[in-house]
Amino acid sequence: DTGVSQNPRHKITKRGQNVTFRCDPISEHNRLYWYRQTLGQGPEFLTYFQNEAQLEKSRLLSDRFSAERPKGSFSTLEIQRTEQGDSAMYLCASNRRRGVSTNEKLFFGSGTQLSVL
Amino acid sequence: DAKTTQPPSMDCAEGRAANLPCNHSTISGNEYVYWYRQIHSQGPQYIIHGLKNNETNEMASLIITEDRKSSTLILPHATLRDTAVYYCIVDTGTASKLTFGTGTRLQVTL
Repeated sequence: DTGVSQNPRHKITKRGQNVTFRCDPISEHNRLYWYRQTLGQGPEFLTYFQNEAQLEKSRLLSDRFSAERPKGSFSTLEIQRTEQGDSAMYLCASNRRRGVSTNEKLFFGSGTQLSVL
Repeated sequence: DAKTTQPPSMDCAEGRAANLPCNHSTISGNEYVYWYRQIHSQGPQYIIHGLKNNETNEMASLIITEDRKSSTLILPHATLRDTAVYYCIVDTGTASKLTFGTGTRLQVTL
């Protein structure tokens, strides 16, 4: 178990540029989640995947945001035409959903800190 | 999902028990109480969860009142490494779309 890995750890970009983050979940985990956290606040849910299917997107995920998990393993989160309000920590988490089981705890990565200048 | 109310901050002396309260008066019958913590510059870490009964694991104990409207997370012997923001969350547990509040910032001091 190598944990959830996120790259890069930090990203500084200029307003209007596109950025992409990568998340590698724990290998046997079929569910992958993206959260966003701004300073002083708790993480906010953005979207999640089961295998390669994106099952839900929060209304926080504007049309400038797109997430993919093409082979059901790693995932990418792209933000197009970044704005200063996009500055935040982007957290990835994963767990394994087996049948109708519930309460599978989330394992979080250390996040990607985005700063939009 | 039900909302939770937690004190914004607490202090605890190292070696003493840390008791972190959480109110969740609108919790539904199928919602669990989860606790996560977040150490500075890291992602949240799962601690414990429960439905009705008190729970204990290697990290902490969770005490849930009989009416389930509040709970307490107990760290029996706090250390400096327990300094973190602690989040109390109620959720059905079916999809892990957790709603974090602002949590309680626990400062453990010498």
